[in-house]
Amino acid sequence: DAKTTQPTSMDCAEGRAANLPCNHSTISGNEYVYWYRQIHSQGPQYIIHGLKNNETNEMASLIITEDRKSSTLILPHATLRDTAVYYCIVRVAPYYPVQSGSEKLVFGKGMKLTVNP
Amino acid sequence: DAGVTQSPTHLIKTRGQQVTLRCSPKSGHDTVSWYQQALGQGPQFIFQYYEEEERQRGNFPDRFSGHQFPNYSSELNVNALLLGDSALYLCASSLFGGVSIDEQYFGPGTRLTVT
Repeated sequence: DAKTTQPTSMDCAEGRAANLPCNHSTISGNEYVYWYRQIHSQGPQYIIHGLKNNETNEMASLIITEDRKSSTLILPHATLRDTAVYYCIVRVAPYYPVQSGSEKLVFGKGMKLTVNP
Repeated sequence: DAGVTQSPTHLIKTRGQQVTLRCSPKSGHDTVSWYQQALGQGPQFIFQYYEEEERQRGNFPDRFSGHQFPNYSSELNVNALLLGDSALYLCASSLFGGVSIDEQYFGPGTRLTVT
């Protein structure tokens, strides 16, 4: 079962920041927060991941609360192409030496983000 | 750099038939995972292959089987198809045992319709 809860859907105006919340109150100390998105009729696309510090890349920023029980994915300037289903996932990340069974992704239903013009 | 490719794009089969789906991983990746995505649901993990062996398996019956070839490409086979097997089948590749934290790269999927 998925270990995260997300709203079913959210709307955002084009050009504005989109803040996508995720609750993961049972997250373990060695579990990371991953975000993927799935644009209609495509495979999921990796966005960002983090452990406990805030992270930023060219696509988005990830803010994780100090107690790690929730996080927010931020798309700073949403465009129409950001309309997609966003999945928040917690999992143990692979590291060296490899942990068997650490790579599979457990998806929930995700959250549909609609960016409106 | 070619990403993950899957074939065919769409497929229509009849109940009771067998189907084979194919996946080529992203260049440099050696691990392939398969997921099933029913309409309106998130993808569900079927199994993962590394070094031509099944390493992990999700909650899917034995009708679902797979194979990985020496060039890291993979096949998903489903026997005795049921109407409920209609779904988008996704292949994801990654690098097993990488020193850095990886992410999985997904293909566009194969849409299977069972009638």
